[in-house]
This record gives sequence, structure tokens and C-alpha cells, in this order.
Amino acid sequence: DTEVTQTPKHLVMGMTNKKSLKCEQHMGHRAMYWYKQKAKKPPELMFVYSYEKLSINESVPSRFSPECPNSSLLNLHLHALQPEDSALYLCASSQRAAVSSYNEQFFGPGTRLTVL
Amino acid sequence: QQPVQSPQAVILREGEDAVINCSSSKALYSVHWYRQKHGEAPVFLMILLKGGEQKGHEKISASFNEKKQQSSLYLTASQLSYSGTYFCGTEEETSGSRLTFGEGTQLTVNP
Repeated sequence: DTEVTQTPKHLVMGMTNKKSLKCEQHMGHRAMYWYKQKAKKPPELMFVYSYEKLSINESVPSRFSPECPNSSLLNLHLHALQPEDSALYLCASSQRAAVSSYNEQFFGPGTRLTVL
Repeated sequence: QQPVQSPQAVILREGEDAVINCSSSKALYSVHWYRQKHGEAPVFLMILLKGGEQKGHEKISASFNEKKQQSSLYLTASQLSYSGTYFCGTEEETSGSRLTFGEGTQLTVNP
């Protein structure tokens, strides 16, 4: 299984809502990532988990809260978001989270988030 | 440090060739290339490691010039399916698997 799955595919939420995005992989990868992508822009790294521990937080606002319950699952909890947070949220995984040979990242299909 | 990609956009006829460039001012460990079609996830194409290794994948190949911190993606005999936005992602030697993507090159292949 070489797939990263993400749910939901689309999400519309108000600024006072609490919601969660879910990501799953069964490739035995020990690194998982959250990216944010605005239209016609490249993916921007938000968080990196290595062996279920948060290793990189790219100064993301606290209204985004990541969680890695086990080596296959990655969640992103959302609370009190702003309209400018509307974007495609991509999850990715790789064998490890260290500079090493051929450590390619595999992306999920993303969750398209709209904040009203 | 975001890498610089060029050109921003390319329009080809089927069967033509294209080159997309990616350069960085930082010492790189690796360069990753991805293609993203509209509304879809980025798809991994190949990874180049420092050492100037050239990799190939079907009719798509790439090179990495470690001295210049530049990578080029070569698309030969382009097919309609090659259309999409190509991103290079660079991994600096001290970044711990932090990929920073260039702004992308939009490639359109017409019949």
C-alpha cells in the first residue's frame, strides 16, 4: 500500500467551529507532515512529526493543533480559524524525518478547507 | 530559503522538449521534483542527491550540479499527460528533511 489518505475531502467551517483533519498511511513511514497550499502557490510546511514526536513547527498559529496518535495517523485540529486560513491542507509521509538518501515524501489528496 | 524556479510557464506542442531549472543560494543535500495537476496532490517524480547524480524516469530525467546548487528537469518528447505544475523542493544540509518548494513552473502540452 503506497497511499496516503486524507479525510474529509472538503470542509466548510465557521470561525467559531472546532473541526479536525485526518491523515493515514500504512507504508511504515516514521515521518509525517502537514502542508498548507494556497491557490497557484507551492505547498508550505506547517509541521513535521518524527517517530510520533513533533520535530518541526514552522511558527504556525496556535489555532492549528497537530496530533500524532500513532505511527500511521496524523490529525490536525482546527479552532477559531480565520477566512485567510482557507486553503488546501496536504498531508505527506516519508521513511524518516532526517536528511538521508532517497527520502521522498508521498502526498495525500488533501482537504480543501473553506472558512466562512 | 526558497529556491528559484524558471521559467514560470511553458507551452509546448506534443513531442517537444522542455527544461525546468531550480537554483538555491544554500548548500543543498537533495532536490526533489514533483508534478501537480489541478485539484490533485503533488506526485513525486524523482530525487537528486548531492554528488551530481543524474536520475531518469520514463522520458523525464534530471540533474543536480552541486557546485552551483542548481537542478534541471528535462522533459523529452512531451505528452499531453505531462501538463501540470512542476515544483522543485530543496532540502538543505542542516534542515532535517524540511522541504522548501519553489514557486512552480506551469507546463501546458497542447496537441
